[in-house]
Amino acid sequence: AQKITQTQPGMFVQEKEAVTLDCTYDTSDPSYGLFWYKQPSSGEMIFLIYQGSYDQQNATEGRYSLNFQKARKSANLVISASQLGDSAMYFCAMKSPGANSKLTFGKGITLSVRP
Amino acid sequence: EAQVTQNPRYLITVTGKKLTVTCSQNMNHEYMSWYRQDPGLGLRQIYYSMNVEVTDKGDVPEGYKVSRKEKRNFPLILESPSPNQTSLYFCASSLSGRSSYNEQFFGPGTRLTVL
Repeated sequence: AQKITQTQPGMFVQEKEAVTLDCTYDTSDPSYGLFWYKQPSSGEMIFLIYQGSYDQQNATEGRYSLNFQKARKSANLVISASQLGDSAMYFCAMKSPGANSKLTFGKGITLSVRP
Repeated sequence: EAQVTQNPRYLITVTGKKLTVTCSQNMNHEYMSWYRQDPGLGLRQIYYSMNVEVTDKGDVPEGYKVSRKEKRNFPLILESPSPNQTSLYFCASSLSGRSSYNEQFFGPGTRLTVL
């Protein structure tokens, strides 16, 4: 069974600084995808970044990068130059191919950016 | 604009009164899914559909029904809602359910309260 673990308590970061949000995962599938989603207070789920298990390089999307350490089964999200609008809940999720490639979500991390 | 739409966005109802939450996508996606989000639990899958007329249970299907008569629509039906179904519901779709790569696009969410 797949599992995503996000154990950090609420995170705080000063505006313009970088922050790392932790995510560890567990799966026996050799092929899988890792996703990060942002959920602001308005409630919608916003896709941020994707990392495939066979990707050689860490994914980057603008200010977001994913620190993928396959041997450690970790997929941490790094947000550079934090902005006030980054204050939100962040979810790590995993998906494996198959009959139902559902997303398995972690419990989320709340990030607050201080001015 | 490519999107997943849900209606209603907010609903307050009473125990036992049947309701339907509609979901529609305009991206010709094969795969659609329903999740519920509860505090401290992340998102959990209720039902999914790999294609038209093909649906199956997710992790928490009790008390819910779905149908997939057309590719674009995937309604969620609560035949006899109970207070423990008070939650935030998301519909999601992706191009295919079989790949670990395909991003899932989420609807805006439906906040349901059952009194």
